[in-house]
Amino acid sequence: EAGVTQFPSHSVIEKGQTVTLRCDPISGHDNLYWYRRVMGKEIKFLLHFVKESKQDESGMPNNRFLAERTGGTYSTLKVQPAELEDSGVYFCASSQAQGEWDGYTFGSGTRLTVV
Amino acid sequence: AQKVTQAQTEISVVEKEDVTLDCVYETRDTTYYLFWYKQPPSGELVFLIRRNSFDEQNEISGRYSWNFQKSTSSFNFTITASQVVDSAVYFCALRPDPYNTDKLIFGTGTRLQVFP
Repeated sequence: EAGVTQFPSHSVIEKGQTVTLRCDPISGHDNLYWYRRVMGKEIKFLLHFVKESKQDESGMPNNRFLAERTGGTYSTLKVQPAELEDSGVYFCASSQAQGEWDGYTFGSGTRLTVV
Repeated sequence: AQKVTQAQTEISVVEKEDVTLDCVYETRDTTYYLFWYKQPPSGELVFLIRRNSFDEQNEISGRYSWNFQKSTSSFNFTITASQVVDSAVYFCALRPDPYNTDKLIFGTGTRLQVFP
């Protein structure tokens, strides 16, 4: 079974540009989560999809961030326009059922650097 | 407030030494889950253990052991006879109020370097 896959693994963009991160969850997993780790700090929750619906987006930092999950399969996280403080590692995770805890599988993350 | 504190930013040990990674949490909830994840150089977060708030039994899995103490709000992780492959960043995490949220609250992580 393929794990959670994230593209790209690294991205370097200039301040003001747009970047789109993609997450492919494990097939059949309805729940998809985005988290972010800013350098040296804790990993913070961004949002949670159940299928294509946003269950909880309380962690989204501001309206420069837009997450979508059309069709309830893969998800994208767009940052537009990117700022320096957006640099960090963006993790995606998926689980089959809400509250399923040994099955919360993370991807390898996308390292975003805004210069 | 819901918070996880990992006071050790970085620990370096020589192979075969034992090492303990500290984790202190804060929550007002009586029901919660605690986790440890490992992030090896490849980048992904690997689940190690989940413990719920009603189960204070210590757990041992091979060279890994976990000590959960509600009295001190701590969930420490010990690696016995460390190996180079244990080098990674380790994160402690809290899931408060599990009936109402799937969110995890992470600590800042502890980077463990094991030298040969």
